[in-house]
Amino acid sequence: EAQVTQNPRYLITVTGKKLTVTCSQNMNHEYMSWYRQDPGLGLRQIYYSMNVEVTDKGDVPEGYKVSRKEKRNFPLILESPSPNQTSLYFCASSPWGQESSPLHFGNGTRLTVT
Amino acid sequence: QQQVKQSPQSLIVQKGGISIINCAYENTAFDYFPWYQQFPGKGPALLIAIRPDVSEKKEGRFTISFNKSAKQFSLHIMDSQPGDSATYFCAASMTASYGKLTFGQGTILTVHP
Repeated sequence: EAQVTQNPRYLITVTGKKLTVTCSQNMNHEYMSWYRQDPGLGLRQIYYSMNVEVTDKGDVPEGYKVSRKEKRNFPLILESPSPNQTSLYFCASSPWGQESSPLHFGNGTRLTVT
Repeated sequence: QQQVKQSPQSLIVQKGGISIINCAYENTAFDYFPWYQQFPGKGPALLIAIRPDVSEKKEGRFTISFNKSAKQFSLHIMDSQPGDSATYFCAASMTASYGKLTFGQGTILTVHP
């Protein structure tokens, strides 16, 4: 089954404790992206990657890191989480360069930073 | 900066009614306008999309209306059903960057039986 898999689904952590949210897709998509969803703000892009070893900042990159060492994986790293990073996070992927290709989203990771 | 503004934030409709969600954009370089539907506990999924060379696109009960001069587009759900209850996001992107979508704030739609 074609899918984007995020882990974990739920995560509660404390301020300053480094964490990684994993994302993997099995569709051989070039493009991958991370979004955060907050009430009243919609989905805001954190980072995106157009292919292996190619990443770039989205609209809200502060406090986050990403890496793209393999085509299928795109982990999101919070080196020193803070309470304002409490949010619902989504990873998404799509084939690059194909007109009107939809973004395929994972089922989300709900992060709480205390 | 919020380049795509969506309203209303929430909407309650009776079964069989028409649901209307509106979006406005600022960047005239946007040329692809999708709508995504999100059910609780799930990620958003593409519902319907339009390009600015047409003023309307219909797929079943879902219709996008597009007004290029006003920089506005809207989603109409005809004969709304309880199963349509979800969060809806409008979005916009440029052809040169297919995957880089800018999303609106989202609308929580509740359809009462």
